[in-house]
Amino acid sequence: TQLLEQSPQFLSIQEGENLTVYCNSSSVFSSLQWYRQEPGEGPVLLVTVVTGGEVKKLKRLTFQFGDARKDSSLHITAAQPGDTGLYLCAGARGNKLVFGAGTILRVKS
Amino acid sequence: GAVVSQHPSRVICKSGTSVKIECRSLDFQATTMFWYRQFPKQSLMLMATSNEGSKATYEQGVEKDKFLINHASLTLSTLTVTSAHPEDSSFYICSASRDGTYEQYFGPGTRLTVT
Repeated sequence: TQLLEQSPQFLSIQEGENLTVYCNSSSVFSSLQWYRQEPGEGPVLLVTVVTGGEVKKLKRLTFQFGDARKDSSLHITAAQPGDTGLYLCAGARGNKLVFGAGTILRVKS
Repeated sequence: GAVVSQHPSRVICKSGTSVKIECRSLDFQATTMFWYRQFPKQSLMLMATSNEGSKATYEQGVEKDKFLINHASLTLSTLTVTSAHPEDSSFYICSASRDGTYEQYFGPGTRLTVT
């Protein structure tokens, strides 16, 4: 069973559309991180959220951490082909990260 | 910055041979390094956690005698796949974290193909 449920698993959208990726758990995490990974490369850290209810913005990306620190979301506004990739959420558990299953995003031009 | 490198990026080896993968933190000291395995279009699976100067802690189901991990310095960890078999073919990724932080910085990965 996955400690962090990430959805959707796959998303194919047109350029300019908005989308949201969700990460949910029954467990509390001290922090949650979002990564983006391109094929054949390692994950790149996008953001870390620490405080319940926290909202962080990174250009067209908005990240939210749930009040109870059990869930998080990533919202992308006006998606572009360059946003294509595998998005991973990861919750901190001690010094380890618990990863969600990932969301493969494909943005078509 | 927090740059982590891996070498080699790709390796092809024959069944039965051993392969060593290096992971280096280039601009910071990494008290802890992690080794992951990733199958195509899937998430990362943690294999082991290594702390400098001590034995690695392996996740359940990961054979420590097959995947040898050494973390001899604060900037270098190595993963040796011993007696490799085709089923060991995978994308291996390392990450490193600074002392007292939970953020992990990932290397670019190593594609291992065992023929």
